[in-house]
Amino acid sequence: GIQVEQSPPDLILQEGANSTLRCNFSDSVNNLQWFHQNPWGQLINLFYIPSGTKQNGRLSATTVATERYSLLYISSSQTTDSGVYFCAVEANTGFQKLVFGTGTRLLVSP
Amino acid sequence: DGGITQSPKYLFRKEGQNVTLSCEQNLNHDAMYWYRQDPGQGLRLIYYSQIVNDFQKGDIAEGYSVSREKKESFPLTVTSAQKNPTAFYLCASSVELGEQFFGPGTRLTVL
Repeated sequence: GIQVEQSPPDLILQEGANSTLRCNFSDSVNNLQWFHQNPWGQLINLFYIPSGTKQNGRLSATTVATERYSLLYISSSQTTDSGVYFCAVEANTGFQKLVFGTGTRLLVSP
Repeated sequence: DGGITQSPKYLFRKEGQNVTLSCEQNLNHDAMYWYRQDPGQGLRLIYYSQIVNDFQKGDIAEGYSVSREKKESFPLTVTSAQKNPTAFYLCASSVELGEQFFGPGTRLTVL
């Protein structure tokens, strides 16, 4: 089945710094989503981005489907950005199933 | 407010007991999903349903069962056959071929 790799696994930033999280996947996809998991476990939808670039406030994402990767940019990070960021892809197999990476754990310190 | 609700938030089970986790959505989504998350890991698919009265096994269905009698509801039963049921369980829903949205989750602990 499709493989999803996220990097880096852990990231520590000072408040105000910028960061880039990467998601590589091993096959063509119908769907790619980025999530932020907060300390209570809730998965918050950040982007639904099978291709192209989207921006939402301080966050933006780019997916290059032909090269099988996606990037999540966080600018001017805040302590509330801390948590785990997951990339999940839906393989081009004819039915909906999200395959998750193991996540990037982000800690933003004041 | 439209959304996905899961109950209970925390659940404790003795070994050998079956327990049922509730998932309800009022988003009018056709598809619903159950995922399991172990500490430090991503989510893995247990079961999914694309339409009422139909559901399919995911990657880790052994020891679990589901039903889909109503569009809004997709309960998950963790049976005594599940060898290691302690985990965080998340329910999701989507329109066909669309973005998935998740509920707040249920933490199950086996005592």
